[in-house]
Amino acid sequence: DAGVTQSPTHLIKTRGQQVTLRCSPKSGHDTVSWYQQALGQGPQFIFQYYEEEERQRGNFPDRFSGHQFPNYSSELNVNALLLGDSALYLCASSLRSGPTDTQYFGPGTRLTVL
Amino acid sequence: QKEVEQNSGPLSVPEGAIASLNCTYSDRGSQSFFWYRQYSGKSPELIMSIYSNGDKEDGRFTAQLNKASQYVSLLIRDSQPSDSATYLCAVEGSARQLTFGSGTQLTVLP
Repeated sequence: DAGVTQSPTHLIKTRGQQVTLRCSPKSGHDTVSWYQQALGQGPQFIFQYYEEEERQRGNFPDRFSGHQFPNYSSELNVNALLLGDSALYLCASSLRSGPTDTQYFGPGTRLTVL
Repeated sequence: QKEVEQNSGPLSVPEGAIASLNCTYSDRGSQSFFWYRQYSGKSPELIMSIYSNGDKEDGRFTAQLNKASQYVSLLIRDSQPSDSATYLCAVEGSARQLTFGSGTQLTVLP
């Protein structure tokens, strides 16, 4: 049973560039949530996708956008990168039809903005 | 702003002792609560979920929930050096997003 996968593992970009991160959910899951984790902090919710639509969004600017594909995989796009966007980006998958959304995390993508 | 607060730590306990990790939350309507463990440089790993008031035990781990006091705790019995990690408390919001505390770093000393 494949768990949540993310790519790439590490990424280095410069300010102003754009980046795309990818996530494949755990087998049988239909919902993908994205989180940003700065060093020494807990993960911060960015947004959640279900049925190819953004269902909920945290306090992140429009530079952060996403997409969910028919196979439930998802992308996170960040435009006009800032130094402060350097963080671990986590994807979590869950099954929306359950009584609660127990979320399982992928290994994360470490983004460094220079 | 819905908040989740954890005891700041770091917390050190000797091997074999009980480690106690605490968490309070502000959203009185929250119904689902989770504890994740995160090793340095790794992603969070789910270790416990709890939905009802009282205790829930799973091996050496016990989660405790008191919705009236808006308080969640995690007890780790017979702590092992391999338990050394950051423990994250997470609360599920009405839209099923998770709000995390900043984590408590636990070190179990051999």
